[in-house]
Amino acid sequence: AQTVTQSQPEMSVQEAETVTLSCTYDTSESNYYLFWYKQPPSRQMILVIRQEAYKQQNATENRFSVNFQKAAKSFSLKISDSQLGDTAMYFCAFGVNQGGSEKLVFGKGTKLTVNP
Amino acid sequence: DAGITQSPRHKVTETGTPVTLRCHQTENHRYMYWYRQDPGHGLRLIHYSYGVKDTDKGEVSDGYSVSRSKTEDFLLTLESATSSQTSVYFCAISASGHGAFFGQGTRLTVV
Repeated sequence: AQTVTQSQPEMSVQEAETVTLSCTYDTSESNYYLFWYKQPPSRQMILVIRQEAYKQQNATENRFSVNFQKAAKSFSLKISDSQLGDTAMYFCAFGVNQGGSEKLVFGKGTKLTVNP
Repeated sequence: DAGITQSPRHKVTETGTPVTLRCHQTENHRYMYWYRQDPGHGLRLIHYSYGVKDTDKGEVSDGYSVSRSKTEDFLLTLESATSSQTSVYFCAISASGHGAFFGQGTRLTVV
């Protein structure tokens, strides 16, 4: 069974600074996907970034980037130039393609607060 | 928006009563999922569907049943609600490798 661990229950950062959220996972699969989701106080789950395990290049989406270390089973999220709107819960998730279905396994989340 | 609507958005019910949550999608996705979110647990998969009338259990399926009579609708039923089922419930659709797209969530309180 796959597991996802987020070791930082809470973090805070000053506006305009950079913050890194950690995620590790455990799996015996070789082909899988990793995701970071953002959940603001509105409760909506928003996909921030995705990474395909077979790609060595780290994914980036504007101010969001990941550091994917496949051998170490590590998938951290870096947020650059933090903004007040980045305040949210962040969830790391793991998925395996099984005949088109992709059941996700989530970490417990990291609560990020961006301070003015 | 991924075209996923959950109803109701909020519900308070009494212990022992049946409850049905509805998920409606307009994307014609084959795969649909129900997750629950609890503090300290992240999101956990309850049930999922891979087509009309085709469903299977997830990690925390005890006490829940699902049905899918049309591609666009996926229902989650609590046959006899208990306080441990107080949670936020999310419906999702996914295309493999692209991640899941979630509805707005339903906050269910069992008193």
